[in-house]
Amino acid sequence: AQSVTQLGSHVSVSEGALVLLRCNYSSSVPPYLFWYVQYPNQGLQLLLKYTSAATLVKGINGFEAEFKKSETSFHLTKPSAHMSDAAEYFCAVRGGTSYGKLTFGQGTILTVHP
Amino acid sequence: EAGVTQFPSHSVIEKGQTVTLRCDPISGHDNLYWYRRVMGKEIKFLLHFVKESKQDESGMPNNRFLAERTGGTYSTLKVQPAELEDSGVYFCASSQIDTRTYEQYFGPGTRLTVT
Repeated sequence: AQSVTQLGSHVSVSEGALVLLRCNYSSSVPPYLFWYVQYPNQGLQLLLKYTSAATLVKGINGFEAEFKKSETSFHLTKPSAHMSDAAEYFCAVRGGTSYGKLTFGQGTILTVHP
Repeated sequence: EAGVTQFPSHSVIEKGQTVTLRCDPISGHDNLYWYRRVMGKEIKFLLHFVKESKQDESGMPNNRFLAERTGGTYSTLKVQPAELEDSGVYFCASSQIDTRTYEQYFGPGTRLTVT
């Protein structure tokens, strides 16, 4: 069984500041890990994914995440926040199969202040 | 390439009524998933189709929910009769049977409100 915990339901940063969204997972098998973003009135869009290749994964819009097995973490970072990054972010895990169901965290709403 | 589409975008119904949600996956995607997000909670898996077959329906909450995917193309999710706790956003996603991609593509969701 898999589970995901996102620490912090709301994160607020200033424009230009570092963005750090935390995700810890639990999986009984080697996991596939994902970060999705949802902008207002839109569907979920894939930011990046870890599929057992490089542990540092680069995604779209300047985001990246590092898979740390020893810490069971997959935190999302961006060096400099833009106003357009304001959205809700979801961490998700899929274990085992390549096309099975996703298990999501609770979501983190990112607010960016000018 | 058209993305995953869902209809309607919003639906407001009374308790006891029936509602049918529709999802059109990306053309050629054999995998189709339904998820639901109840307000304040995480997005939860409902079920997974591979073509027209139900691969995994472990997330379906009860027998008031019926999902179909006739012909392996679009899918419908019917709630009959609807209860207040069924309110939420219902997402559909699709993916290829291709171990190189792993990505599920999501639709914009249908917001269901049961009053």
